[in-house]
Amino acid sequence: RKEVEQDPGPFNVPEGATVAFNCTYSNSASQSFFWYRQDCRKEPKLLMSVYSSGNEDGRFTAQLNRASQYISLLIRDSKLSDSATYLCVVSTGTASKLTFGTGTRLQVTL
Amino acid sequence: GAVVSQHPSWVICKSGTSVKIECRSLDFQATTMFWYRQFPKQSLMLMATSNEGSKATYEQGVEKDKFLINHASLTLSTLTVTSAHPEDSSFYICSARDLGRYTGELFFGEGSRLTVL
Repeated sequence: RKEVEQDPGPFNVPEGATVAFNCTYSNSASQSFFWYRQDCRKEPKLLMSVYSSGNEDGRFTAQLNRASQYISLLIRDSKLSDSATYLCVVSTGTASKLTFGTGTRLQVTL
Repeated sequence: GAVVSQHPSWVICKSGTSVKIECRSLDFQATTMFWYRQFPKQSLMLMATSNEGSKATYEQGVEKDKFLINHASLTLSTLTVTSAHPEDSSFYICSARDLGRYTGELFFGEGSRLTVL
């Protein structure tokens, strides 16, 4: 079983739609959780950290369920510019050592 | 602006040659940097942790004699792919954490795309 699993997609949604991604992790000792965004042939960039209480940043909402070991990302009112691959990232132990999921590809269309 | 800079962005080389990739932290010191590799449509895989002033720590399955890492200063780590072969063609990305920022965010370099002919 992979340490971090994501549905690779692609998710094709129209502009304005709400879309949700889930991610599961296998190590119950994982401590930190993040969503990164990666555009084609570019480096990943931090989208948001994920906290146990859930957190929101504009149109983006992230939630963590430690009991079920999954993380979610909700994007409301999708924009064309949201088209990218969204990487679920988990850290266990040393906070800077990250394990990446394969990513979920989102394509927002007109 | 970028806080971690990588060079070169693209490199094409012949099989058997060695290629050096530089990773620099800008405006902050990084005692630890991380090197990742990403094949097409796959996730980033951690190759090694680069430690300033000491030996790098390699992940299982990564050959340390193949991928030489040197972290000679607090702002520079280098990855040298020795005797490169076509199967080494990949996207190599470094990262470093700016502990001076309240978020402690991990920043990535722009990546270096290596093509071995």
